[in-house]
Amino acid sequence: EAQVTQNPRYLITVTGKKLTVTCSQNMNHEYMSWYRQDPGLGLRQIYYSMNVEVTDKGDVPEGYKVSRKEKRNFPLILESPSPNQTSLYFCASSNTQAGNEQYFGPGTRLTVT
Amino acid sequence: QQPVQSPQAVILREGEDAVINCSSSKALYSVHWYRQKHGEAPVFLMILLKGGEQKGHEKISASFNEKKQQSSLYLTASQLSYSGTYFCGTEVYEKLTFGTGTRLTIIP
Repeated sequence: EAQVTQNPRYLITVTGKKLTVTCSQNMNHEYMSWYRQDPGLGLRQIYYSMNVEVTDKGDVPEGYKVSRKEKRNFPLILESPSPNQTSLYFCASSNTQAGNEQYFGPGTRLTVT
Repeated sequence: QQPVQSPQAVILREGEDAVINCSSSKALYSVHWYRQKHGEAPVFLMILLKGGEQKGHEKISASFNEKKQQSSLYLTASQLSYSGTYFCGTEVYEKLTFGTGTRLTIIP
């Protein structure tokens, strides 16, 4: 089954404790991205990657890091989480960005206390 | 810059029609439409590309005015299953930016 998986689905952590949210897709997609969703603000892009070893900042990259060492995986790293990073996070992938459907993962709800 | 969606929220009775609008200040390559149910991931509805090509579900109707950088999603004879939040995404130079969403509630 074609899918995007994210882990963990739910996470409660404390300020400053490094964490990684994993994202994996099995569709051989080149393009992957991370979004955060907050009430009233819609989906805002954090980082995106157009292929292996190619990543770029989205609209809200501060406090996040990513890597793309393999085509299927695109982890999101919060090296020193803060309460304002409490949010719902979605990973997405597509064949290429231009004019193609985005496949979204199930989401990761992160709470930073 | 996020595209502007209108209305922000709408309540319909089952069977009524609705139009959701999306506008951008930038020259667009494409416009995407997604629907999200509460607690779930966004689900693809349609893509409208510059030049007139469309990709998506046959039952969904939408338009894209390239000159005005505006798109509209048409929901006709609404069903209870249409409830959710609708997002448009505007694509410029392979960067996709989503609007803040339109919450659609269908009541029996």
